[in-house]
Amino acid sequence: AQSVTQPDIHITVSEGASLELRCNYSYGATPYLFWYVQSPGQGLQLLLKYFSGDTLVQGIKGFEAEFKRSQSSFNLRKPSVHWSDAAEYFCAVGAGVGGNTGKLIFGQGTTLQVKP
Amino acid sequence: GAGVSQSPSNKVTEKGKDVELRCDPISGHTALYWYRQRLGQGLEFLIYFQGNSAPDKSGLPSDRFSAERTGESVSTLTIQRTQQEDSAVYLCASSLGGSPLHFGNGTRLTVT
Repeated sequence: AQSVTQPDIHITVSEGASLELRCNYSYGATPYLFWYVQSPGQGLQLLLKYFSGDTLVQGIKGFEAEFKRSQSSFNLRKPSVHWSDAAEYFCAVGAGVGGNTGKLIFGQGTTLQVKP
Repeated sequence: GAGVSQSPSNKVTEKGKDVELRCDPISGHTALYWYRQRLGQGLEFLIYFQGNSAPDKSGLPSDRFSAERTGESVSTLTIQRTQQEDSAVYLCASSLGGSPLHFGNGTRLTVT
């Protein structure tokens, strides 16, 4: 069965430090992979996506993610975290067929806290 | 408006009552999705509408849940005989073709 695992429920980093959020997926074919961010009181915002091609994907707000097929991982990284990055982060894999690219399986999320 | 609009933003209902949640997608977006987010968990897919095609209802958790969409406009998600386990944030999203999803801010449903 398709699934997404985010091993870290909660992460705290200092402002200016680097960040890596882990995501592992289980999917039979080449996956469509996504990272979303959810800030308090706001809707989900797409950070980046991987469909095919270059395995290192650049997103908004200085985030990037690397698809590693051999490890079934799609970890999110940022070289220097800002206080405004404090939010909940969700990894997702596309589970739809045909044109249904929005049927996603989400991980449970990682809450990021940023220390001043 | 420019984004996906959901109403109400908050709904408190008594166990056993029916509730109706509304979603206004971005104009022109042909695809519409409903997701549920329980406290401390990721989103669960509920239902997908694409134009006039038959909806993908594979994520609806029980026959108490139903949804409608007229053409490419507003959608309503109805939960009949609500139970406490239905308490969650219900999120709507729309997209055009294969474009990424645009999510609304959700309806927080509390069943007492």
